[in-house]
Amino acid sequence: AQSVAQPEDQVNVAEGNPLTVKCTYSVSGNPYLFWYVQYPNRGLQFLLKYITGDNLVKGSYGFEAEFNKSQTSFHLKKPSALVSDSALYFCAVRDLPHFGNEKLTFGTGTRLTIIP
Amino acid sequence: GAVVSQHPSRVICKSGTSVKIECRSLDFQATTMFWYRQFPKKSLMLMATSNEGSKATYEQGVEKDKFLINHASLTLSTLTVTSAHPEDSSFYICSARGGRGGTEAFFGQGTRLTVV
Repeated sequence: AQSVAQPEDQVNVAEGNPLTVKCTYSVSGNPYLFWYVQYPNRGLQFLLKYITGDNLVKGSYGFEAEFNKSQTSFHLKKPSALVSDSALYFCAVRDLPHFGNEKLTFGTGTRLTIIP
Repeated sequence: GAVVSQHPSRVICKSGTSVKIECRSLDFQATTMFWYRQFPKKSLMLMATSNEGSKATYEQGVEKDKFLINHASLTLSTLTVTSAHPEDSSFYICSARGGRGGTEAFFGQGTRLTVV
């Protein structure tokens, strides 16, 4: 079974500082990995994904994530945090499609607060 | 990215009545749609997966007779909460993925259901 762990419920970062939101995963095969952001009372917005290729993936709003197969991690990063980045962030994993197992499994979420 | 529209965004209903939530993919054909439930400060719990033209696949513990899912077309899926009770109050989110080669899922804005 696939699973995702986000070890930090809450991350606080000063505006302008770099931020990291951690994610580790477990799958039986090769993973599809995703990051989503959720603002209050809203659905999830897609940020970025890793399917194959370059381990460093760039996404929306200046975010990037690095796929590390040996550490089974996919941490979300941004060089300089903005107050508007404050939101709830979800990491998700999906096994390579076996046309029968195409579910996304989400982590528990990390609330990111950027302090002005 | 692709747009998924979910309606209504908020609904209040009386205990014992039924509520229908619509999820539409506006600019792509969604072969697979997913329905999630999100409890306060918690991650998304997958309720069911539906493929156009076939019966939905429900996750363990989700009552199929209570949460009726219909995916009659490639752009529309509906979730009907039947005989709603206060414990059904929650935030419901749909997502849609296009084609068998589609990778990321796109999410609706969510529906806040309150049963009084």
